[in-house]
Amino acid sequence: DTAVSQTPKYLVTQMGNDKSIKCEQNLGHDTMYWYKQDSKKFLKIMFSYNNKELIINETVPNRFSPKSPDKAHLNLHINSLELGDSAVYFCASSQDGPENEKLFFGSGTQLSVL
Amino acid sequence: AQKVTQAQTEISVVEKEDVTLDCVYETRDTTYYLFWYKQPPSGELVFLIRRNSFDEQNEISGRYSWNFQKSTSSFNFTITASQVVDSAVYFCALSEAGDDKIIFGKGTRLHILP
Repeated sequence: DTAVSQTPKYLVTQMGNDKSIKCEQNLGHDTMYWYKQDSKKFLKIMFSYNNKELIINETVPNRFSPKSPDKAHLNLHINSLELGDSAVYFCASSQDGPENEKLFFGSGTQLSVL
Repeated sequence: AQKVTQAQTEISVVEKEDVTLDCVYETRDTTYYLFWYKQPPSGELVFLIRRNSFDEQNEISGRYSWNFQKSTSSFNFTITASQVVDSAVYFCALSEAGDDKIIFGKGTRLHILP
């Protein structure tokens, strides 16, 4: 059983489009995250939700809007996609904050904006 | 402010050699957590180890070992008798107690040559 699953795995789209990436975890964890990994492999946190409530919102353009319909899901919606949004996006979850538990990562979504 | 530095961008060694990946961190907290993650070519992120700041005992797990030294703010990772399957990008990360985010270093790409 996949613990943290993201869809789609690959997403190729044109500039200006709106797209969503979905994430679901079946671990019963309370906290979920979105990370962005750029072309140089640098991982940076974007958002963190705990029990559907936004905890961390790093400096991310407001074109990015996370949505957590329940604590098992954290979707990422991106409006007006730009070339610089091309990256791999990782969803992750943990029982509490990351300092108490290890993070479980999804397999990543490779977004390519043309 | 928290910061994680992995000065080695890329390392290549021949199979069966030992290799050490360096990690230096900065934090003002006295309670914090350090992590290593592995990202193989398939792209997923795999948890390797978590250490808290009060436990400076070195840890060994099979061919992997970790050397945590608070005096030098380092948490280095050594692979003994490396194998081709160890080829991956390795990330060191830091989380301060009570903080909901985990800060990743930029990663070290390790190539194990047959």
